[in-house]
Amino acid sequence: DAMVIQNPRYQVTQFGKPVTLSCSQTLNHNVMYWYQQKSSQAPKLLFHYYDKDFNNEADTPDNFQSRRPNTSFCFLDIRSPGLGDAAMYLCATSRERGGGTEAFFGQGTRLTVV
Amino acid sequence: RKEVEQDPGPFNVPEGATVAFNCTYSNSASQSFFWYRQDCRKEPKLLMSVYSSGNEDGRFTAQLNRASQYISLLIRDSKLSDSATYLCVVRQGAQKLVFGQGTRLTINP
Repeated sequence: DAMVIQNPRYQVTQFGKPVTLSCSQTLNHNVMYWYQQKSSQAPKLLFHYYDKDFNNEADTPDNFQSRRPNTSFCFLDIRSPGLGDAAMYLCATSRERGGGTEAFFGQGTRLTVV
Repeated sequence: RKEVEQDPGPFNVPEGATVAFNCTYSNSASQSFFWYRQDCRKEPKLLMSVYSSGNEDGRFTAQLNRASQYISLLIRDSKLSDSATYLCVVRQGAQKLVFGQGTRLTINP
C-alpha cells in the first residue's frame, strides 16, 4: 500500500503556466520534503517542512513555492515554469521526533514543460 | 566541493562478483547515513541505514568511517536484479537529507 502518494504521476504544462503538484502521506510523519531530480543527477532538495515550519534552501528559485495545509498534504507550486524546470519532482517524508530516521519517497511526478 | 560525493560509474560487473562503492561527505557534523537504491525512472528506496559499528543485511554490508568521512557499500554474490543506481544519503542536522549523485551499477549475465 502506497504510503506517500504523489499526483499526478505525469504532468505536462505550458511554458509560464502555473502548475501545482501534490503529495499526501498516511505515515503521520512530521517532516515533508520536496526534491527536484533531473536526468542522471542527484535529487536536489528544494525545501522541507518540519511540522508547520517551512525551510527553504538558499538556492531554490523564487519560482518554487510550497504549502502544507495539514500534516498529511503538501503542495509544490511552480509559478511560471520554464523549460529548465522539466524534471522529476519527488516528495518524501520522515519522522523526526527523538532522532532522525530514513525518508520515504512517493513515486514522483514527472513534469514536462512545452 | 560537493557535500556528498560518489563515483558515478558506471560499474559493469559479472553476475556473482563482489562490488564495492564509496561515498565521501564534507560536513563532519553529519549525523545519519543511508544507502538508497533507485531503479530507472522510479523513486529512491531505502536499501539500508549505515551504523557506526557497520552493519550487514544479507549480501549487503555497509561501513562508516567518521574519521575519514566516508561510507561504503559492499555487495557480494551480485545478482542481475542488483542493477540500479545506488545513492549515498547523508543527514545534516536534524532534518536535511543530502544525496550523492549516485553510482550506476549494471550486473551482466
